[in-house]
Amino acid sequence: DVKVTQSSRYLVKRTGEKVFLECVQDMDHENMFWYRQDPGLGLRLIYFSYDVKMKEKGDIPEGYSVSREKKERFSLILESASTNQTSMYLCASRVYSSPLHFGNGTRLTVT
Amino acid sequence: AQSVTQLDSQVPVFEEAPVELRCNYSSSVSVYLFWYVQYPNQGLQLLLKYLSGSTLVESINGFEAEFNKSQTSFHLRKPSVHISDTAEYFCAVTLYNTDKLIFGTGTRLQVFP
Repeated sequence: DVKVTQSSRYLVKRTGEKVFLECVQDMDHENMFWYRQDPGLGLRLIYFSYDVKMKEKGDIPEGYSVSREKKERFSLILESASTNQTSMYLCASRVYSSPLHFGNGTRLTVT
Repeated sequence: AQSVTQLDSQVPVFEEAPVELRCNYSSSVSVYLFWYVQYPNQGLQLLLKYLSGSTLVESINGFEAEFNKSQTSFHLRKPSVHISDTAEYFCAVTLYNTDKLIFGTGTRLQVFP
């Protein structure tokens, strides 16, 4: 069974801090994704990656960056956290064109 | 541009009643369609998918969805809901031969005893 693990369930950070959200998958999936989930807005794609060291911008990449140094790990970076980045962040992975497998999410609060 | 519309943000229903959660998409090319479910404090789980073939697809827990190309819809139905079906349901679409999945805004199904 595919497992996608997000390192933190809850995070509280201060405005201006650099924040790292980590995601690890154990099924050798090529594609990995970062979404944010907000009430009434559904899931919006931030970044995705086809393979190691490759990344593509999603619909809302501003204020975020990503890193994929190893196939199993995909990190989301908030360069300077702001209050409007308070949200639920969901990581997902998949083999090309197959359904997504999601982690349980990280609820980030920026104060 | 590709988009997904879930018109109902909340659907309250009594236990054992039928339910339909609506999903419409816009795309001029072939698509794959998905329904995901999110239980409280959890990530999303795949409920069912349409890739090709029969337009009626079913899940293991009694849900079904029908792909209607002419109406660009993929509505989710269950003839008799349970309390345990209380969750948020997301419709999603991806263009054939791409990696990008577009989600709707979600429908919160609340089942009352």
